[in-house]
Amino acid sequence: EIVMTQSPATLSVSPGERVTFSCRASQSVNSNLAWYQQKRGQAPRLLIYGASTRATGIPARFSGSGSGTEFTLTISSLQSEDFAVYYCQQYDDWPPSTFGQGTKLEIK
Amino acid sequence: QVQLVESGGGVVQPGGSLRLSCAASRFTFSSYGMHWVRQGPGKGLEWVAFIRFDGSDKHYADSVKGRFTISRDNSKNTLYLQINSLRLEDTAVYYCAKSYSGYSSGWYIFDYWGQGTLVTVSS
Repeated sequence: EIVMTQSPATLSVSPGERVTFSCRASQSVNSNLAWYQQKRGQAPRLLIYGASTRATGIPARFSGSGSGTEFTLTISSLQSEDFAVYYCQQYDDWPPSTFGQGTKLEIK
Repeated sequence: QVQLVESGGGVVQPGGSLRLSCAASRFTFSSYGMHWVRQGPGKGLEWVAFIRFDGSDKHYADSVKGRFTISRDNSKNTLYLQINSLRLEDTAVYYCAKSYSGYSSGWYIFDYWGQGTLVTVSS
């Protein structure tokens, strides 16, 4: 089973700033990496798949990069609605598909 | 817009059973694989089970293998999860999620999710 590790556990950032989330895989997942956003009390929402492809309706301020074992999700200019928990997920080797433990984005 | 609506959650004693349902609409249900993903209280996401669009292939997480059964009725646009021999650690919100693509390369991308149904295992 591939272990996904996200860092840090929590990020405190001010609106308008740029933020980067990190995700590491215990072995190569090629570009088979997705990012999800989950707001409190809501279901997760797909943001990015294929490491860098935005899902339908996702604003351009969200971008993803990386391949192999190291990945990043960047929000170029934080909006108030972006404060949430972000998860990475590998779908290169399944079953199982595995998620990182999440990074919580807080308002500074 | 794709709609997924889960139901069937509740409070059950250890060793008990439940059947969860997920009613799908506004897409061609019979063309896509479907998943169950769960989230324990205050915890992260855990993939639970997958079923191919036609029901011919099913995958399970090791933690639920032999206790949970995923199934679907394409005539009713409904996904199911039969949960038996429930344990305290099965307490979670259970989400159904749609596969992004009918091709295997996209089976495990979850592009739409329901709002979830809560299963609480307690004595």
